[in-house]
Amino acid sequence: GENVEQHPSTLSVQEGDSAVIKCTYSDSASNYFPWYKQELGKGSQLIIDIRSNVGEKKDQRIAVTLNKTAKHFSLHITETQPEDSAVYFCAARPASNYKLTFGKGTLLTVNP
Amino acid sequence: GAVVSQHPSWVICKSGTSVKIECRSLDFQATTMFWYRQFPKQSLMLMATSNEGSKATYEQGVEKDKFLINHASLTLSTLTVTSAHPEDSSFYICSASGQGGGGYTFGSGTRLTVV
Repeated sequence: GENVEQHPSTLSVQEGDSAVIKCTYSDSASNYFPWYKQELGKGSQLIIDIRSNVGEKKDQRIAVTLNKTAKHFSLHITETQPEDSAVYFCAARPASNYKLTFGKGTLLTVNP
Repeated sequence: GAVVSQHPSWVICKSGTSVKIECRSLDFQATTMFWYRQFPKQSLMLMATSNEGSKATYEQGVEKDKFLINHASLTLSTLTVTSAHPEDSSFYICSASGQGGGGYTFGSGTRLTVV
């Protein structure tokens, strides 16, 4: 089955700096890669996703890049704000089913 | 956008009792519902997948007789933790997917504490 590795497990940045979280996946058949933000004690919210037919997607301060050859994808947050502080999860899904495999999460702390 | 309402948000129960968690899709038809479990500082672990009107498919190691899943309609799925024990204490989250398996909408989660 799919295996998703996520790094770093914790990330602390100063407000205004950029944050980058990286994930690798094992199943070359995976074709959908979402990123979720989870605030303390709450469910996960989709913040951005990318499909295997594109290499990059951007939505305001958030961008995701995908390297299919290397089987890794990254989340980029620019001009970070304290409200960006949360746990971020990457996930991968193969074309054969709808099951998401999640990374272990990254606790992002943005210091004012 | 799509919304999934999950209730209760937290529950405390005694060992040996059963707890039911509900997830409702408010503005779309949830053809597939995923149930996850999350321990503190860990990732979401898929417990089971259910399609409306069908029996749920459980992941390896998840006891189907302990975690009963019902997905009788396109807008409601329930997870019942039967004969709960303290080790069942966890954060349970549902996620719904509409026809075509496009996006996933997560519920807000249920914090279960078994005492």
